[in-house]
Amino acid sequence: DVKVTQSSRYLVKRTGEKVFLECVQDMDHENMFWYRQDPGLGLRLIYFSYDVKMKEKGDIPEGYSVSREKKERFSLILESASTNQTSMYLCASSDRLGGDTQYFGPGTRLTVL
Amino acid sequence: QKEVEQNSGPLSVPEGAIASLNCTYSDRGSQSFFWYRQYSGKSPELIMFIYSNGDKEDGRFTAQLNKASQYVSLLIRDSQPSDSATYLCAVAGTASKLTFGTGTRLQVTL
Repeated sequence: DVKVTQSSRYLVKRTGEKVFLECVQDMDHENMFWYRQDPGLGLRLIYFSYDVKMKEKGDIPEGYSVSREKKERFSLILESASTNQTSMYLCASSDRLGGDTQYFGPGTRLTVL
Repeated sequence: QKEVEQNSGPLSVPEGAIASLNCTYSDRGSQSFFWYRQYSGKSPELIMFIYSNGDKEDGRFTAQLNKASQYVSLLIRDSQPSDSATYLCAVAGTASKLTFGTGTRLQVTL
């Protein structure tokens, strides 16, 4: 089974803090994705990566950056957290040979005070 | 402009009935279509995918795809209370990215 893990289930940070959300997958997937999910807005793509050290902006990259130093690990960084970044953050991975099926981690509920 | 549209619901069906969930998409070039189930407070989990026009069955679930009408649906037979969740439709576009609908909340009543 594909396993995608995220570093925290719940996180509370203060405005202006630098926040790191980490995601690890154990299936050697090339593609990794970061989404945020908000009520009424659905899943929105923040950043994605096709390979180590590669990154592409998604639909809402403002205020975020990412890092992918190793194939299995994809980190989302909030350089200076703001209250409007309070959300559920979901990481996913997929395989180029897997027909674009994405597998999700458990999610991190981030609250910025 | 939304690219994947779903009725937000809630869709309420009695236990044992067939639940029909619908999704339309705007990108005529889309090739792959997915249904995910998401329980409250949990992450989405894949139910099934479909690539070709027609029906695809997996247990109590049937996905239906009509590319000419840009329409994909999910039927759940013999609905159970444990099927109560939000169902997300996703469409694969360019570069392995998925575009998700906002989901339909299904309630299966006793």
